[in-house]
Amino acid sequence: GAGVSQSPSNKVTEKGKDVELRCDPISGHTALYWYRQSLGQGLEFLIYFQGNSAPDKSGLPSDRFSAERTGGSVSTLTIQRTQQEDSAVYLCASSPENSYNEQFFGPGTRLTVL
Amino acid sequence: GIQVEQSPPDLILQEGANSTLRCNFSDSVNNLQWFHQNPWGQLINLFYIPSGTKQNGRLSATTVATERYSLLYISSSQTTDSGVYFCAVRNTGTASKLTFGTGTRLQVTL
Repeated sequence: GAGVSQSPSNKVTEKGKDVELRCDPISGHTALYWYRQSLGQGLEFLIYFQGNSAPDKSGLPSDRFSAERTGGSVSTLTIQRTQQEDSAVYLCASSPENSYNEQFFGPGTRLTVL
Repeated sequence: GIQVEQSPPDLILQEGANSTLRCNFSDSVNNLQWFHQNPWGQLINLFYIPSGTKQNGRLSATTVATERYSLLYISSSQTTDSGVYFCAVRNTGTASKLTFGTGTRLQVTL
């Protein structure tokens, strides 16, 4: 079946612009996660959605970052007023039922802030 | 928070050789996954193994949760095994996130 998909695959933007990154989880998976991978920080958690529960935003690095999940499926990660340190690969993952289960990752969006 | 250490950080093997990658973690876990990140950046699931032993072809993994470590064995390595191997854990009783180790970069040469 189809895996996790993300768009765009690459995004180049200018410092100060806003960007939106999209994630389509595996059909039927109720849990959705955002991570980012950068050279200096490795792979780090950003935010987690589970069903209709309030999201776990504990990993968001600043209030310029926000995410939403509409209809329990597609998620959008928004970065406002982008900075050069936001340059990274943003990875989305989904898992069935709850976070005890295996997480599956999408191909990522490579964000470059000039 | 939980700490995850992987060793060795870098490994160069000749094709056909065997290797063992190690993941140590500092607290109890209820999820442990091994991933292979290919040269295109895709994280490929290898094993979901919070405890016990699993095998899949030339790869196998063992997690000893009581001693807080996991091992990934690669036998008869091939050039397509090259890439970065990550261990990731979910700390029992805490947030849902996976905490990743810093990875082992494997290069398999002819």
